Amino acid sequence: EAQVTQNPRYLITVTGKKLTVTCSQNMNHEYMSWYRQDPGLGLRQIYYSMNVEVTDKGDVPEGYKVSRKEKRNFPLILESPSPNQTSLYFCGGYEQYFGPGTRLTVT
Amino acid sequence: KQEVTQIPAALSVPEGENLVLNCSFTDSAIYNLQWFRQDPGKGLTSLLLIQSSQREQTSGRLNASLDKSSGRSTLYIAASQPGDSATYLCAVDDNYGQNFVFGPGTRLSVLP
Repeated sequence: EAQVTQNPRYLITVTGKKLTVTCSQNMNHEYMSWYRQDPGLGLRQIYYSMNVEVTDKGDVPEGYKVSRKEKRNFPLILESPSPNQTSLYFCGGYEQYFGPGTRLTVT
Repeated sequence: KQEVTQIPAALSVPEGENLVLNCSFTDSAIYNLQWFRQDPGKGLTSLLLIQSSQREQTSGRLNASLDKSSGRSTLYIAASQPGDSATYLCAVDDNYGQNFVFGPGTRLSVLP
């Protein structure tokens, strides 16, 4: 079954404590992306990757890092999380394939 | 820069009604357009994907149309059911799968 998985699904952390949200797809897609969803602002793209070792900024990349060392994985890294990064995060493959979401709370 | 709007923002209807959700986008040079469903606090479920060369797509009680030249898409839901209650998001892809621009969504409530 084609799918995009994210872990963890829920995370509560404190300001400044580095964290990584993993994303994995089993469809051999070259393209992967990260979005955040906030009330009143909708879904906005954070970063995307066209292929291994190729990443680019989306609309709201500040405070985030990504890496693409292998095709199936595209982790989202928050080096020093802040409360304004509290959000619902979605990882996506090509077209309609999105992960189930990660709800992150930074206190 | 592409902008996507959706009207209405919220809609409450009795069960059984046929209804139309609207989506508008500012740049007609799109690759495809998708309609998603999102239940509260949950993930995105793709409902229909319309390629830029297509005019409409149908799946069960759902029908989505696309008019690229006017920058509009509509999602038609026939014989609505309480289980259709969710937020419906329109997303435009204007970069060959590289960047979806999402609308703010229409929150639908179907009352039994």
